[in-house]
Amino acid sequence: QSALTQPASVSGSPGQSITLSCTGTSSDIGGYHYVSWYRQHPGKAPKLMLYGIGDRPSGVSDRFSGSKSGNTASLTISGLQAEDEADYYCSSYTSGSIWVFGGGTKLTVL
Amino acid sequence: QVQLQESGPGLVKPSETLSLTCAVSGGSISSDSWWNWVRQPPGKGLEWIGELYHSGSTIYNPSLKSRVTLSLDKSKNQFSLRLSSVTAADAAVYYCATRERGRMDVWGQGTTVTVSS
Repeated sequence: QSALTQPASVSGSPGQSITLSCTGTSSDIGGYHYVSWYRQHPGKAPKLMLYGIGDRPSGVSDRFSGSKSGNTASLTISGLQAEDEADYYCSSYTSGSIWVFGGGTKLTVL
Repeated sequence: QVQLQESGPGLVKPSETLSLTCAVSGGSISSDSWWNWVRQPPGKGLEWIGELYHSGSTIYNPSLKSRVTLSLDKSKNQFSLRLSSVTAADAAVYYCATRERGRMDVWGQGTTVTVSS
């Protein structure tokens, strides 16, 4: 099972909206509703930001939203803030009954 | 709220077996959750290792399946990872995490494992 494909880096200015993509196949993202997104600051553990494509855990800002189209999932962050600068990973359930992560996107807030 | 804490040797010799434990507090390992291990090599992304259920059911990443064993100890409310025949490629930060349905919502802080003689 190959890793999901994410752009290596994305940047944006404070206040802007940015969208991170995560591309898989019909055997993972395209076939299931179990897509989640994690944020990881340097030296810290990943933190769940979205699950079930677009649901937010308690405590996560509504600036974070998610969607899916075909084999691609997206995470949109609106009103970009300095604290959003981090690595973001997507994850999906797969037809092999296993879980797979994307390679990660480094978000830089300019 | 469940909390997780990894522990184990920070240094393992090549060809030996890596053993880590994840202590569960604030909840029971017999709850309706799957208990996961994820690792992250230095400067790289996350890699899912496998997960187990309190019934003993396990699911492994096919790329590691031949070397990985996950187990749990209900009496100690903890679960463990064993990875055999380690090489330098197994050096990483190892995280334990709990999964309910499609989300890994609680993670340990991670423990760094170095592979060196």
